[in-house]
Amino acid sequence: GNSVTQMEGPVTLSEEAFLTINCTYTATGYPSLFWYVQYPGEGLQLLLKATKADDKGSNKGFEATYRKETTSFHLEKGSVQVSDSAVYFCALSSGSARQLTFGSGTQLTVLP
Amino acid sequence: DAGVIQSPRHEVTEMGQEVTLRCKPISGHNSLFWYRQTMMRGLELLIYFNNNVPIDDSGMPEDRFSAKMPNASFSTLKIQPSEPRDSAVYFCASSLAGHQETQYFGPGTRLLVL
Repeated sequence: GNSVTQMEGPVTLSEEAFLTINCTYTATGYPSLFWYVQYPGEGLQLLLKATKADDKGSNKGFEATYRKETTSFHLEKGSVQVSDSAVYFCALSSGSARQLTFGSGTQLTVLP
Repeated sequence: DAGVIQSPRHEVTEMGQEVTLRCKPISGHNSLFWYRQTMMRGLELLIYFNNNVPIDDSGMPEDRFSAKMPNASFSTLKIQPSEPRDSAVYFCASSLAGHQETQYFGPGTRLLVL
């Protein structure tokens, strides 16, 4: 079956620090990969996605590269801001149903 | 454009009571999803609909949970009778058919069962 494993949180960084949140997956077929973000008190929002191997998704300064050889989709940002404080979810979709399978989420707190 | 609308935003009830959560998807979206989020289990898909028809309800915890989608603009998730372990945040999300991976989430209903 499909599964997503994310690095354990919480992660606390100072403003302008470099961010990496690790994500690895197990899937049948050729999944599409996603990062969703949940700001406090809100629902999840799609942050970025990649639909095939070696694709790089990017948005709002965040990037993630679909690495088929390591079954990974790590999220990175070169310089985080306080406003990036949120919970980040890695997810995949695979198969004909195209439903999302989410990781457990990683809480990020950025301190000024 | 309005996003996904959920009501109520907060619900406190006593064990044994019936709880009904409501969702209005984004206009034109024909896939709708109900999720439950808890600290212990993370985000779980309960059920999803395509064109108002339930496609997969394997995530519904037990017979106390039921979901309906009588038309394209409205869905309910009902818990009867409610139990303290049902306390969670319940999210509704919608998407265009064929694009189920790009889901738009509502703000959630925070349910507390005493």
